[in-house]
Amino acid sequence: NAGVTQTPKFRILKIGQSMTLQCTQDMNHNYMYWYRQDPGMGLKLIYYSVGAGITDKGEVPNGYNVSRSTTEDFPLRLELAAPSQTSVYFCASISHRETNEKLFFGSGTQLSVL
Amino acid sequence: KNQVEQSPQSLIILEGKNCTLQCNYTVSPFSNLRWYKQDTGRGPVSLTIMTFSENTKSNGRYTATLDADTKQSSLHITASQLSDSASYICVVSADTGRRALTFGSGTRLQVQP
Repeated sequence: NAGVTQTPKFRILKIGQSMTLQCTQDMNHNYMYWYRQDPGMGLKLIYYSVGAGITDKGEVPNGYNVSRSTTEDFPLRLELAAPSQTSVYFCASISHRETNEKLFFGSGTQLSVL
Repeated sequence: KNQVEQSPQSLIILEGKNCTLQCNYTVSPFSNLRWYKQDTGRGPVSLTIMTFSENTKSNGRYTATLDADTKQSSLHITASQLSDSASYICVVSADTGRRALTFGSGTRLQVQP
């Protein structure tokens, strides 16, 4: 059982470049999330999805896009990378069946925009 | 605005000692409170989850308490080990349809030999 898998683990982008952070989970979870974590700060929600075909903005969505074509996959797209997007990105998923279920995180993607 | 505040920001203790981390929150309507351990360079891992009716929950040497009246929680670590060195994050869930989670900024714990 792989849980939540994120790729890549590290990436360096030039300003204006684009990239997609991949996230997949094999637990059949309906809810999936993308967070960013800046140094010394808490996680901030970028986008979330409550099921295939449904996505919505979180606290800090500007500069990002997501899609949820399947239950398993929830990619995060950066269209025009900016230095302010330098951060560590975490994907997470949770089941909708119970309110106190565990939230599972991926191992993170460290992104630097130079 | 929903907020979660943790204290202290960082803490250094000697191996074998106990410590207590604090979490205050203003999240409404409250659903549950979670404590996570995050090792450097890794994703957070769940330690405990407590709902409104639960006052305390243990996971090995980790014991979390919850006072829903004062909106405070604590995480007590007993007989600390070097492997306890990590960030500990308090996360509060609001009782909404989208499983809204508010994260604290964490307490960085360093256990020294």
